[in-house]
Amino acid sequence: QQQVKQSPQSLIVQKGGIPIINCAYENTAFDYFPWYQQFPGKGPALLIAIRPDVSEKKEGRFTISFNKSAKQFSLHIMDSQPGDSATYFCAASMGDSGGGADGLTFGKGTHLIIQP
Amino acid sequence: DTGVSQDPRHKITKRGQNVTFRCDPISEHNRLYWYRQTLGQGPEFLTYFQNEAQLEKSRLLSDRFSAERPKGSFSTLEIQRTEQGDSAMYLCASSFPLADRGEQFFGPGTRLTVL
Repeated sequence: QQQVKQSPQSLIVQKGGIPIINCAYENTAFDYFPWYQQFPGKGPALLIAIRPDVSEKKEGRFTISFNKSAKQFSLHIMDSQPGDSATYFCAASMGDSGGGADGLTFGKGTHLIIQP
Repeated sequence: DTGVSQDPRHKITKRGQNVTFRCDPISEHNRLYWYRQTLGQGPEFLTYFQNEAQLEKSRLLSDRFSAERPKGSFSTLEIQRTEQGDSAMYLCASSFPLADRGEQFFGPGTRLTVL
C-alpha cells in the first residue's frame, strides 16, 4: 500500500513557467513533509520541508502549499530554469511522538524537464 | 566536512555472491539511515541507527541483509547470497541528533548490479 501518492509522473514546462507537483498522503500520523531533488547518478538533496501547522512555506524560488484537511501538499517552482530539470520526490515522516524514528516514506517521483 | 560518502559507487556481482557496502555519515550526525532505490521509484526505507544501536528495520530487509554501525560512526550493509532482484541503488543518509527527522542528508549511493 503506497502511503504517499505523487503526480504527475513526468512534466514538461517552458523556461519561466511554474511547474506544480502534487502529493497526497494517507497516514494522519505523518507530521513532516520534505521535498527532495535528485539528478541522475546522485543522491537526493533536500529542497524544502514543511510541518502541518503552516499552510505555505517559501524558500527562494520553491514554495510548498499544504492542505491538512485534504491530506495533500504541493511543490511550486517559480521562474523555472533548465537547471531545475531533475526528478523531484515528496516524502513524509512521523514525529518522535509517533513512538519511533522511522525513515522517510517517498512518493514515486516526478521527472521534470524545463525547456529553454 | 564534505558530506555523506559511500563506497563503492558501483558494484557488479554474480548471483549468489555476498557484497558489502560502506557509508560514512557527516561526522557530528548520530542518526544513520539506509534506503534502496530501484529505477523509476522513490527511495524505500530499509533500516535506521541511532549511534551504534539499530532501532528499526523495514520488512523489506530480508534475512539476507544485515547492517552494522559498530562504533556509532561508519556503517556497513551486507547482502548475502545476492539475487537479481537486489539490483538497485543503495543510499545512505544521516541527520543531526534530535533534529527534524526529515532533514536527512543523502550520500551519492552505491549502484549494485547482480548478474
